[in-house]
Amino acid sequence: AQSVTQLGSHVSVSEGALVLLRCNYSSSVPPYLFWYVQYPNQGLQLLLKYTSAATLVKGINGFEAEFKKSETSFHLTKPSAHMSDAAEYFCAVSESGGSNYKLTFGKGTLLTVNP
Amino acid sequence: GAGVSQTPSNKVTEKGKYVELRCDPISGHTALYWYRQSLGQGPEFLIYFQGTGAADDSGLPNDRFFAVRPEGSVSTLKIQRTERGDSAVYLCASSPGTGSGNTIYFGEGSWLTVV
Repeated sequence: AQSVTQLGSHVSVSEGALVLLRCNYSSSVPPYLFWYVQYPNQGLQLLLKYTSAATLVKGINGFEAEFKKSETSFHLTKPSAHMSDAAEYFCAVSESGGSNYKLTFGKGTLLTVNP
Repeated sequence: GAGVSQTPSNKVTEKGKYVELRCDPISGHTALYWYRQSLGQGPEFLIYFQGTGAADDSGLPNDRFFAVRPEGSVSTLKIQRTERGDSAVYLCASSPGTGSGNTIYFGEGSWLTVV
């Protein structure tokens, strides 16, 4: 069984500040890990994914995440927040084996960017 | 269209009624998924199709829920005898396959409200 915990249902940062969204996972097999973003009235969009290659993964819009097996974490960061980053962010995990199609999502973190 | 299309975008129905939600995946995508997102929660897996067959329906909550994909393209999620607890956003997604290199693309969802 897998699970995802996103610490902080709501994160607020100032424009230009560092963005850090936390994600911890639990998985009985080597995981695949994902970050999705959901803008208002839009579908989920993939930001980045880890599939057992490089542990530091770069995604779209300047976001990146680092897989840390020892900490079972996959935190999402961006050096400088932009107003357009305001959205809800979901961390998700899937198994690396035959069930890699089944995503287990966290509850999401709403990011607010203040001018 | 270019993305996953879902209809209706909003549906209000009375308790006990039957509902159908339609999903038109990205052309050529063999894998199709249904997820359900309740208020304040992340999406939860319902069912996965590979081609015309349901390869994994372990997420369907009970026998009131059923989904079909008769020609391996469009899918319909069917809910019988709706209950207020069925109110949620129903998300459809598709991908070219299920390997680690595949990206899952989500539609904007069908908002179902049972009154």
